[in-house]
Amino acid sequence: SQQGEEDPQALSIQEGENATMNCSYKTSINNLQWYRQNSGRGLVHLILIRSNEREKHSGRLRVTLDTSKKSSSLLITASRAADTASYFCATQRSGNTPLVFGKGTRLSVIA
Amino acid sequence: KAGVTQTPRYLIKTRGQQVTLSCSPISGHRSVSWYQQTPGQGLQFLFEYFSETQRNKGNFPGRFSGRQFSNSRSEMNVSTLELGDSALYLCASSSGTSDQETQYFGPGTRLLVL
Repeated sequence: SQQGEEDPQALSIQEGENATMNCSYKTSINNLQWYRQNSGRGLVHLILIRSNEREKHSGRLRVTLDTSKKSSSLLITASRAADTASYFCATQRSGNTPLVFGKGTRLSVIA
Repeated sequence: KAGVTQTPRYLIKTRGQQVTLSCSPISGHRSVSWYQQTPGQGLQFLFEYFSETQRNKGNFPGRFSGRQFSNSRSEMNVSTLELGDSALYLCASSSGTSDQETQYFGPGTRLLVL
């Protein structure tokens, strides 16, 4: 069964706008990761946030984690057409256990 | 370093046949995980191999099996194919020795069962 659930399922924005995607999960976690997938190809790792971290930045990406609410958000600032992709959150319950993925948010950035 | 490679990239089979997919991890990585991705079920974990041993297993029937060789290359096999096995099969590698690791994915093998 899926651990993470992303919201919204699809998002369409104009280039230059910010995009926010949310992820909720059900059990305690060791870490939460975000991945991007372009057109049914392989996934690319974006960022990992540990359970004892609350916020993390990487370039135009900002991830927050609220373990009390079992939720995370991914913010992409100043979006570009090249950001068009599906975004997945994945949780890991403990070390060396499998990643469990949500169903993803499909982001379309219109030039 | 070269990335994760998967062969073949595309495959068409008929029901009842079997198929073997191959994954070569990033050099030095000892863990290989396999995932099935379908529009309905999303990304589902199949199994993980670490140093030639299955370390984790997902909830798939016994028709799905895998193995890992001493050079860390991995294969997965699906026997008696069903229409529902049509999917993108992704493998991912990592060092397998840290509890906070990212996974590096290959481009996938797209399997169509007719």
